[in-house]
Amino acid sequence: EDQVTQSPEALRLQEGESSSLNCSYTVSGLRGLFWYRQDPGKGPEFLFTLYSAGEEKEKERLKATLTKKESFLHITAPKPEDSATYLCAVQSLNRDDKIIFGKGTRLHILP
Amino acid sequence: DSGVTQTPKHLITATGQRVTLRCSPRSGDLSVYWYQQSLDQGLQFLIQYYNGEERAKGNILERFSAQQFPDLHSELNLSSLELGDSALYFCASSVDYGNTIYFGEGSWLTVV
Repeated sequence: EDQVTQSPEALRLQEGESSSLNCSYTVSGLRGLFWYRQDPGKGPEFLFTLYSAGEEKEKERLKATLTKKESFLHITAPKPEDSATYLCAVQSLNRDDKIIFGKGTRLHILP
Repeated sequence: DSGVTQTPKHLITATGQRVTLRCSPRSGDLSVYWYQQSLDQGLQFLIQYYNGEERAKGNILERFSAQQFPDLHSELNLSSLELGDSALYFCASSVDYGNTIYFGEGSWLTVV
């Protein structure tokens, strides 16, 4: 069964303190891995899609990387406005079109 | 603004009742996904439609049903509501299956 595990569950950082969020996945063939940002009570906001191991994508202070078993979301010099829950999701090649989400990492950046 | 529109934004109803949540996908998107998010759970996949046809099914309860209409909007019907059905219900859409999905702002359902 396809599975997505995110760690840590919660992370508190000082403003400017860089860190990484982890997303481990198990799928029978990866079609795509997705990162989203979700603010409380809001819909998830799309950040990145990664398709193959070795791929990297960047957007402002965020950089997503992908290996065959996990993905990392690196946050460089974060600001308080980066505080949110970051969700990872995977879509398998072989199991219809379900997109399965992890439970997320709640990130809090202290000023 | 993702372009996905969900109504209503908030809904309070009593146990045993039935409600309908509506979703209009982004212009040009053929695929619609429904997810449930409660406080102690992540985003739980319910069901997906592609161009009017059911494409994938998750852990959707038998009391819940959905459909996608010819104009591509979708409705999620929740019946015989229980307290545990209180949650945020999200709709998402994509151009095709296998593409990035974009979420609406959700419908917040409270069952009392």
